[in-house]
Amino acid sequence: GAVVSQHPSWVICKSGTSVKIECRSLDFQATTMFWYRQFPKQSLMLMATSNEGSKATYEQGVEKDKFLINHASLTLSTLTVTSAHPEDSSFYICSAPRHSGETQYFGPGTRLLVL
Amino acid sequence: AQSVTQLDSQVPVFEEAPVELRCNYSSSVSVYLFWYVQYPNQGLQLLLKYLSGSTLVESINGFEAEFNKSQTSFHLRKPSVHISDTAEYFCAVGARGNTPLVFGKGTRLSVIA
Repeated sequence: GAVVSQHPSWVICKSGTSVKIECRSLDFQATTMFWYRQFPKQSLMLMATSNEGSKATYEQGVEKDKFLINHASLTLSTLTVTSAHPEDSSFYICSAPRHSGETQYFGPGTRLLVL
Repeated sequence: AQSVTQLDSQVPVFEEAPVELRCNYSSSVSVYLFWYVQYPNQGLQLLLKYLSGSTLVESINGFEAEFNKSQTSFHLRKPSVHISDTAEYFCAVGARGNTPLVFGKGTRLSVIA
């Protein structure tokens, strides 16, 4: 069946570095993908909507210059956390809707730890 | 816009006892409703969903949820829980179309032997 993958699954980095997270739809095309963030013991919060061929739309309070999103193809969206700081440590999850939202495929998530 | 309220943050229950995890939502448009389960340090797994039709939906591992439009609820139930059901459960709502989901804050189900 349809699957969404994320890479890497784990990343540990030093404060000030940039981290790129990839989200791929493996056997279907996704013109839209969503990026969520989950802090420990909290729920998932939508960060941004990634649109193939156009700019991403960001939720209120999410800095677009810090969380760069590129949706360069119909199967790949990337989230780059620029100049990461410890407060950016979180679980980042992407998803891709299909069948007009009847199905939402979630990636396995990327756990980011910024030291 | 949609919102989801999960009334219980934690639910402890003894093994083989029944459980109900409550979920209420609000929306000005027709929505799809979902329950996801998250085990420690893992991603989300879809448990079940309501799209249309029969208001009672079931999962393969014994969970069921009933969509109640008048009460705007989508409570999750299981008649007999197992230790392996211990996890975080998230109720989510999405408007029809390629829109993101809005999640509740989650309910931690702890099954006690």
